[in-house]
Amino acid sequence: AQSVTQPDIHITVSEGASLELRCNYSYGATPYLFWYVQSPGQGLQLLLKYFSGDTLVQGIKGFEAEFKRSQSSFNLRKPSVHWSDAAEYFCAVGAPGGTSYGKLTFGQGTILTVHP
Amino acid sequence: DTAVSQTPKYLVTQMGNDKSIKCEQNLGHDTMYWYKQDSKKFLKIMFSYNNKELIINETVPNRFSPKSPDKAHLNLHINSLELGDSAVYFCASSRGLTDTQYFGPGTRLTVL
Repeated sequence: AQSVTQPDIHITVSEGASLELRCNYSYGATPYLFWYVQSPGQGLQLLLKYFSGDTLVQGIKGFEAEFKRSQSSFNLRKPSVHWSDAAEYFCAVGAPGGTSYGKLTFGQGTILTVHP
Repeated sequence: DTAVSQTPKYLVTQMGNDKSIKCEQNLGHDTMYWYKQDSKKFLKIMFSYNNKELIINETVPNRFSPKSPDKAHLNLHINSLELGDSAVYFCASSRGLTDTQYFGPGTRLTVL
């Protein structure tokens, strides 16, 4: 079965600073990978996804993520954070086959606080 | 237009009651899901339906029963509610089992 670890529970950055949120996964083959964002009291919004192909994927709101097979990582980055980016971010892994086919497994989330 | 909608948004009820949460999607997707997000924000899949057929059924108490009257709807019925059922329940849908999942706004269930 697949698993996801987001090592940072809470990150604080200043507005305008760069951001990197870490995500490590465990899966026997190449999984599908996603980043979702959840604002307080809201549902989850998809930021970006990786299925195959180019390992650097671009998403909405200026976010990007890079799939690194050798490190089993899919870190989320943004060059300049805006105050409106303050939210909770979830990394998720999906299995393209096997017994976990169709199941999306989420990490525990990283809360992002942005200081003015 | 809301892609995935849930009703109600908030649900407060007493222990032992039976309640239902409704979900509808207008994306034309074939697959729908129920997730539970606990107080620590941990999100875990409960059920998945594909073309009205139950595909994923995680280790969930029998008190929870999903019902899919058609491909656009997936309802969650909970019998004999317990304190531990308090959580936010999210509905999601996708074109297929391995496609991007789109989430509803969530239903915050509080059991007193």
